[in-house]
Amino acid sequence: GQNIDQPTEMTATEGAIVQINCTYQTSGFNGLFWYQQHAGEAPTFLSYNVLDGLEEKGRFSSFLSRSKGYSYLLLKELQMKDSASYLCAVMDSNYQLIWGAGTKLIIKP
Amino acid sequence: GAVVSQHPSRVICKSGTSVKIECRSLDFQATTMFWYRQFPKKSLMLMATSNEGSKATYEQGVEKDKFLINHASLTLSTLTVTSAHPEDSSFYICSARIPPLNHRNNQIRETQYFGPGTRLLVL
Repeated sequence: GQNIDQPTEMTATEGAIVQINCTYQTSGFNGLFWYQQHAGEAPTFLSYNVLDGLEEKGRFSSFLSRSKGYSYLLLKELQMKDSASYLCAVMDSNYQLIWGAGTKLIIKP
Repeated sequence: GAVVSQHPSRVICKSGTSVKIECRSLDFQATTMFWYRQFPKKSLMLMATSNEGSKATYEQGVEKDKFLINHASLTLSTLTVTSAHPEDSSFYICSARIPPLNHRNNQIRETQYFGPGTRLLVL
């Protein structure tokens, strides 16, 4: 079966760094997405990885290892506004999105 | 495994025809379902919020007469794209919301599960 795993909840301190992991098992791979979703709002696109390696975009970075079926989202210099759910999704060989359940990130002062 | 399904997964239709997309919650009841459209920049645009037994709430700029939403039961919401045109070609994604008290594992927090999406191509 197809499966995406990510932690349910994480807590971090303002100003610190946090890494949210995502592991996947899918039939084929056409890229991995990270989205941020604040309560009551639509998900916001953060990153798209299709090749191995690290993609940096400001305070956010996303890493992909296709051979390991693994990705992580790295958030630096955490701010209170980063408190949100972070969704990992993989596009399979049929161009269907397989979604993780999301990681709720709680930022404490 | 998937908890939200969409059917069809992909559809190709002629301009002017109507296309119905189904979104089902597989083993839970969803009083609220959301419909999104994914744009080429990968962002998801919320189109409408569908509440079981009542009219859908559409976001600004979304034509309710063109994108008909019906949430007839607690496990099914449908999106019908009427008189489809090539500019309607897109990836449509639904999600189902589980309120905190109704989660099957009795978790406290609210959860939203996303469907695999439906790819629509209008020729």
